Amino acid sequence: DQQVKQNSPSLSVQEGRISILNCDYTNSMFDYFLWYKKYPAEGPTFLISISSIKDKNEDGRFTVFLNKSAKHLSLHIVPSQPGDSAVYFCAASAGSGGSNYKLTFGKGTLLTVNP
Amino acid sequence: GAGVSQTPSNKVTEKGKYVELRCDPISGHTALYWYRQSLGQGPEFLIYFQGTGAADDSGLPNDRFFAVRPEGSVSTLKIQRTERGDSAVYLCASSLGVKDTQYFGPGTRLTVL
Repeated sequence: DQQVKQNSPSLSVQEGRISILNCDYTNSMFDYFLWYKKYPAEGPTFLISISSIKDKNEDGRFTVFLNKSAKHLSLHIVPSQPGDSAVYFCAASAGSGGSNYKLTFGKGTLLTVNP
Repeated sequence: GAGVSQTPSNKVTEKGKYVELRCDPISGHTALYWYRQSLGQGPEFLIYFQGTGAADDSGLPNDRFFAVRPEGSVSTLKIQRTERGDSAVYLCASSLGVKDTQYFGPGTRLTVL
């Protein structure tokens, strides 16, 4: 039973355009959400996070939006660059339940940014 | 500074054999985690150490899996009587404290023939 779902296995965008990666979750105990980026043969690298008390967090070209009522979050990358091509994982944890260290990951979305 | 390192990067073994996978966390990080990533899946939590003790081993799939961190730094994941279903990438992560960002190593790809 997937508690964190990334329904798009892949996404292709043109350089300079916006990339939007989506993530849905089912566990209402999740209150902290993260995005990790992974290049081949490397471990996941932390990108950006958001607490459930916020609905938006921005860091440079990356913005994460959280819609708690819909149990949905999205990562926006503007403008997209070829170096952004990687697998993006959405992850969640239930901090208030005492398990904030236990990350639950989605299956990932492969983003390809074409020059 | 140095990131999380894992050795070996690749391990091929035969069904029934015993394997050890090593993780060197970032210096000064008190929390250490093991995850397993099977083909086409995201990483799945296995175990979390705070210092030398396993604070949560609820993700270990069965008693063939065991992990130690005797001096609160390097950790070893041990798998007995390996099965083909154990084939996966085993990822180690560390964080300064339990509420801090987890930094991942490159993983060990385990293949059980």
